[in-house]
Amino acid sequence: DTGVSQDPRHKITKRGQNVTFRCDPISEHNRLYWYRQTLGQGPEFLTYFQNEAQLEKSRLLSDRFSAERPKGSFSTLEIQRTEQGDSAMYLCASSSHRLAPTPNEQFFGPGTRLTVL
Amino acid sequence: GENVEQHPSTLSVQEGDSAVIKCTYSDSASNYFPWYKQELGKRPQLIIDIRSNVGEKKDQRIAVTLNKTAKHFSLHITETQPEDSAVYFCAASIISNTGNQFYFGTGTSLTVIP
Repeated sequence: DTGVSQDPRHKITKRGQNVTFRCDPISEHNRLYWYRQTLGQGPEFLTYFQNEAQLEKSRLLSDRFSAERPKGSFSTLEIQRTEQGDSAMYLCASSSHRLAPTPNEQFFGPGTRLTVL
Repeated sequence: GENVEQHPSTLSVQEGDSAVIKCTYSDSASNYFPWYKQELGKRPQLIIDIRSNVGEKKDQRIAVTLNKTAKHFSLHITETQPEDSAVYFCAASIISNTGNQFYFGTGTSLTVIP
């Protein structure tokens, strides 16, 4: 599968624990996005990278959340001191402005479903 | 920031009928509007998109219309089939040189009744 991949697919943790998710974008894509999706809602933007630079962070991304993309390839999203409200599907997407015919299309990964008990 | 509203939240149609989903956006600077289809348990996938310099775009049974003045855009699916059943999300975005985060609507659950 040459699409966007995410690991793990499911994570169950206890409140207060730290969790880390990984996203591997499509190899030639220089842009990587993180979204959060709760049941019955559309994905909500969290943050995005162009290459290794984190260019924007949503107000939704509290101090407990941090994301990195150290070499401009894969990215990690860490949530510290998890809370029950963090339970959601965390989606990663990638894109490349250079690729036609839909240069702005974002390709989504399968997501990591987080459950905080 | 951008606010995207989507209606209806649920929609049931008979197979072969048309389905229309409507979205409004708040930021007049938004210039790219994709539509994603998400089947149960699967990732969102792009089905059609439109840029603000175009009023309408069609791809087989799917079409999207954009009214920049009114800041609304719509998805039209004709001759619906059971496999069209899914959740559809609209989104608005500002294309820039450094990227474009999407602001999604809340989704429309479409059911096509055979």
